[in-house]
Amino acid sequence: EVQLLESGGDLVQPGESLRLSCAASGFYFSTSAMGWVRQAPGKGLEWVATFNSRTTVYADSVRGRFTISRDNSRDMLFLQINSLRAEDTAIYYCVKEGSLGYYVSWGQGTLVTVSS
Amino acid sequence: DIPMTQSPSSLSASLGDRVTITCRASQGIGIYLAWYQQKPGKVPKLLISATSALQSGVPSRFSGSGSGTDFTLTISSLQPEDVATYYCQKYDGPPLAFGGGTKVEIK
Repeated sequence: EVQLLESGGDLVQPGESLRLSCAASGFYFSTSAMGWVRQAPGKGLEWVATFNSRTTVYADSVRGRFTISRDNSRDMLFLQINSLRAEDTAIYYCVKEGSLGYYVSWGQGTLVTVSS
Repeated sequence: DIPMTQSPSSLSASLGDRVTITCRASQGIGIYLAWYQQKPGKVPKLLISATSALQSGVPSRFSGSGSGTDFTLTISSLQPEDVATYYCQKYDGPPLAFGGGTKVEIK
């Protein structure tokens, strides 16, 4: 069974940084494309970033501030978030891609709140 | 630039009604479109990939169609457990954008 367990969400002040983690199990992590999707309170889904076999891709809204990375030896996915803004407040979901870019599995999410 | 436009943003229908949600891409995306269901307080769930491929375990009352820029999600007979927000997503290439969502309620 595929399991994705996010951690690292917190209440932080604007300008601070945060590192989100996602522990994966139940599938071949190293060969799977992974990503992050976020959802602001009461709002819709927003694609954030994707890490496929060797490349990373970012949404325009986060490029330059967010960095997606992975540790295939530990089956872990990460999202480094710098210079946090109020509009980054959201639940951040770790997602596993299907064969072409849709998301077959979702974690339960970790909440990031940016407020002074 | 709004890659994916979903309509309506919300709808209310009676049990047993046929419900149709539309999603329009700003440019052609072939059949690279997925649909997700998010029930209140829950994690999104993949319903359909490649425009019309129903995922395992998804009831057959759900169906998808379209190609290019215009797509639809149809619920043939609305059930109480279908109360949710539905999102389309393009995945032909970045950005892997979602539509704004359609909230489905029972009248």
